[in-house]
Amino acid sequence: GQQVMQIPQYQHVQEGEDFTTYCNSSTTLSNIQWYKQRPGGHPVFLIQLVKSGEVKKQKRLTFQFGEAKKNSSLHITATQTTDVGTYFCAGQGGANNLFFGTGTRLTVIP
Amino acid sequence: NAGVTQTPKFQVLKTGQSMTLQCAQDMNHEYMSWYRQDPGMGLRLIHYSVGAGITDQGEVPNGYNVSRSTTEDFPLRLLSAAPSQTSVYFCASSRQGKAFFGQGTRLTVV
Repeated sequence: GQQVMQIPQYQHVQEGEDFTTYCNSSTTLSNIQWYKQRPGGHPVFLIQLVKSGEVKKQKRLTFQFGEAKKNSSLHITATQTTDVGTYFCAGQGGANNLFFGTGTRLTVIP
Repeated sequence: NAGVTQTPKFQVLKTGQSMTLQCAQDMNHEYMSWYRQDPGMGLRLIHYSVGAGITDQGEVPNGYNVSRSTTEDFPLRLLSAAPSQTSVYFCASSRQGKAFFGQGTRLTVV
């Protein structure tokens, strides 16, 4: 079956430091999505990447999709306390099903 | 616009009891899905539906049933609750692959 691995599982950073989470799939993905889940909340869609090598930016967040469409990364520049939460990548499989990575829980220390 | 509404938010069941988790969406999305979220394991797909009258199994379907009689509703039934089903359950509806999640149901089976 489709597997999406995500590292690291946890990351603690000082406010103002950068943060990166990585996502790797065992199979080629048609697209990859990123979601953010605040503590006690539900996952919220951030972005979808479709093209090989695609790079998208949302303010301090930079998303990349690998050339082989099997890996992706999310980089946050100069973290803020509002960035706290768990970040999930999700690959899309057959029937439009999403297969989620295990998530990276980000803690930002003020 | 309510989006995806899940009820109840919290539930405690005794082993062997049955119950239904309700999910309704008002966005006229064809695709709906149920996930369970356990620590360190991300979100795992239980069942999904690509439209009214059509359902199919995801990664972890055992012990759960679903039905989709209308576009709006996608209830999840636990037939005979077991402690291993203690988890947080999320319902989602999707359009063009982008998933919108409900607030979640935290279920404890004792």
